[in-house]
Amino acid sequence: NAGVTQTPKFRVLKTGQSMTLLCAQDMNHEYMYWYRQDPGMGLRLIHYSVGEGTTAKGEVPDGYNVSRLKKQNFLLGLESAAPSQTSVYFCASTHMGAEETQYFGPGTRLLVL
Amino acid sequence: TQLLEQSPQFLSIQEGENLTVYCNSSSVFSSLQWYRQEPGEGPVLLVTVVTGGEVKKLKRLTFQFGDARKDSSLHITAAQPGDTGLYLCAGETSGTYKYIFGTGTRLKVLA
Repeated sequence: NAGVTQTPKFRVLKTGQSMTLLCAQDMNHEYMYWYRQDPGMGLRLIHYSVGEGTTAKGEVPDGYNVSRLKKQNFLLGLESAAPSQTSVYFCASTHMGAEETQYFGPGTRLLVL
Repeated sequence: TQLLEQSPQFLSIQEGENLTVYCNSSSVFSSLQWYRQEPGEGPVLLVTVVTGGEVKKLKRLTFQFGDARKDSSLHITAAQPGDTGLYLCAGETSGTYKYIFGTGTRLKVLA
């Protein structure tokens, strides 16, 4: 049981390049989330999904796209990276329920030059 | 836009001291969670509170949810160096399936 895994762990991009961050969970969770964490900003929700084939926008969705083709995977795409997207990206997953526990992945550090 | 304000932002204390971290909002939440995050890792859940006025204890940590479910506090008794980390609160509004995170409190406990 690996929990929530993220790939890659670290990536450097040039402005304008594209990339996809992969999140995988083996806990059969319905909900999955992508956050970004910047110094002094806490975590901000980018996009989330309440089930396979469904996605929704969070607080800061501009410049990102997501897909949830399989229940266990949640992909975050950057079509044209910008320096403002330099951040640490965290994926999380959880069950439905009154006292849900969000399980977080280890994070992906992205540097856009 | 919902906001969760945490205070203080930074806290440096000596081992054995007590401390309280606050999480405040103008919004009502159906549940509120507290996480601790170590450098280079994702946040790890400490507790979830769902009922107004609820108090939960986890060893030396005491969590309280405000009566109106708009605020919460985390109290640590006799802090230890192992308590060092970033503490985050996160609130969920009923039916939205998404969490709003606070700005975080960075705690350092000196031996």
